[in-house]
Amino acid sequence: SQQGEEDPQALSIQEGENATMNCSYKTSINNLQWYRQNSGRGLVHLILIRSNEREKHSGRLRVTLDTSKKSSSLLITASRAADTASYFCARRGAQKLVFGQGTRLTINP
Amino acid sequence: NAGVTQTPKFQVLKTGQSMTLQCAQDMNHNSMYWYRQDPGMGLRLIYYSASEGTTDKGEVPNGYNVSRLNKREFSLRLESAAPSQTSVYFCASSGAFRPGLATGANVLTFGAGSRLTVL
Repeated sequence: SQQGEEDPQALSIQEGENATMNCSYKTSINNLQWYRQNSGRGLVHLILIRSNEREKHSGRLRVTLDTSKKSSSLLITASRAADTASYFCARRGAQKLVFGQGTRLTINP
Repeated sequence: NAGVTQTPKFQVLKTGQSMTLQCAQDMNHNSMYWYRQDPGMGLRLIYYSASEGTTDKGEVPNGYNVSRLNKREFSLRLESAAPSQTSVYFCASSGAFRPGLATGANVLTFGAGSRLTVL
C-alpha cells in the first residue's frame, strides 16, 4: 500500500487565498519531502523537513511535521495561478523515497 | 546543465514487444530510480540502484528488468510488454542517502517522463 497519503485529493481555491494540503504516513521516517508536478512534467523538489524539525519555511511555503501523529502539512500562502499543479509528499525511510497519491491544486483567477 | 535525461518521451508498443527506456544523469549522483505514475496511484517505485553495481526491487518490479550501466546511466527494460504497463515512467537520481547529511544529498531530481502505451 502507499505510504504517505495526501488529503484532500483535489483542492480548488481563488487566487490570493491560502492552500493547505496534508500528508499522513505509517512508519518512522528520516525526513519528509514535498514535490510539485506541473501537468505533463516531472516532479520538482520543493522542501524537505527532517524528523527532528517541526516547521520549515521557504518563500510562500510552510511545512509542518508532527511525528507523534505521523502527519505533515504544506501551506501555500497568497496563491497564484502558477501554483496550479499536483503536490506530493514523500517519505524517506532507508534507501528510497515512497510517494503518496498527491493533491491536485487548482488556483482560479 | 541537463540534469536527468530520459528517452524516448513517447512510445507505442504492441502487446509482447520489448523495449528499453534509457536514463542518464550528469550530476554525479550515486543513486538512481525508476518510477511509474498511473492516474489515482501516485508514483510507485519499480527498481532502484543505490550505487553503481547494485540494483534492488521496489514496489512493482514484475515485468521489468534494469541495468545500471555505469554511474551515469540506468535503463529500464520491458521484455514482453503488456497493456497493464501503459503508464508514464519517470527516472530520478539522488546523492547517496545518509541520515543527517546535508539536505541536497537526500532529494530526488526527476526526468521529464516517458509516456508508454501498450496496445
